[in-house]
Amino acid sequence: GDSVTQMEGPVTLSEEAFLTINCTYTATGYPSLFWYVQYPGEGLQLLLKATKADDKGSNKGFEATYRKETTSFHLEKGSVQVSDSAVYFCALRTGGNQFYFGTGTSLTVIP
Amino acid sequence: DAGVIQSPRHEVTEMGQEVTLRCKPISGHDYLFWYRQTMMRGLELLIYFNNNVPIDDSGMPEDRFSAKMPNASFSTLKIQPSEPRDSAVYFCASSPFYSRAGELFFGEGSRLTVL
Repeated sequence: GDSVTQMEGPVTLSEEAFLTINCTYTATGYPSLFWYVQYPGEGLQLLLKATKADDKGSNKGFEATYRKETTSFHLEKGSVQVSDSAVYFCALRTGGNQFYFGTGTSLTVIP
Repeated sequence: DAGVIQSPRHEVTEMGQEVTLRCKPISGHDYLFWYRQTMMRGLELLIYFNNNVPIDDSGMPEDRFSAKMPNASFSTLKIQPSEPRDSAVYFCASSPFYSRAGELFFGEGSRLTVL
C-alpha cells in the first residue's frame, strides 16, 4: 500500500547548520508530496509541496525536490535558525484522495 | 480568512464521560478529516467526509467513537464512554477540492485528557 517513511529523530543542530530530513515514499500512480511543520502546541501547517516529478517546492528557506526515480522528497535548509525548531512531517496524497503521513521528525536548533 | 476552527482547545474529563469535539471547516472546502495524534502512534486518520458524507471510517478505533457532519460548516467527533487511552490531541482538517494537489488545512487541535 501507499506509505511514507521519514528519518527518525530527534535531530539537534546548531544555529546556521545545514539541515536534511530524509523522506521516501511508496505509492501507486502519481502522488503529490508535502512537508508540514508543527510548532509546539499548534496544528500542522503546510511548509511546501510538489505535485509532479522534478518539481521543487520551497518556502522560508526550505526546499524539497520530487524525485520519482528514487521515490524521495528530502527536506533541506542551508542555514537553520532557532525558530525552525519544530516537528516536520512528510506526507503524500494519492489520486484516491487519501493522505499518508510520516511519523514526524523533531528538530531542535540550539544557539 | 478564518482557518479551521476547533473547540474545545482543551478538555479534561473522567473515564466513562461523553466527550464531544467540534470542528468548523474552511468555507467552501469539500473534504473534512479527523485525525488523532499521540506520541506512541503518531498521526492517525480516523474518518473523512466528502460533501458531508462519511467516505472512510476504517480508522475509527471502536464503536465508542462516532463522527457526524450535519452540514457543510460543522462536524462533531464523539467518544462515549471515554477511556484514559483516548487521551490525545484530535485534529480536524479540511481540503478544498478533489485533487491530488490540494493540501490539508489543519485546525489547532483539541487536547483531550481522560482521567
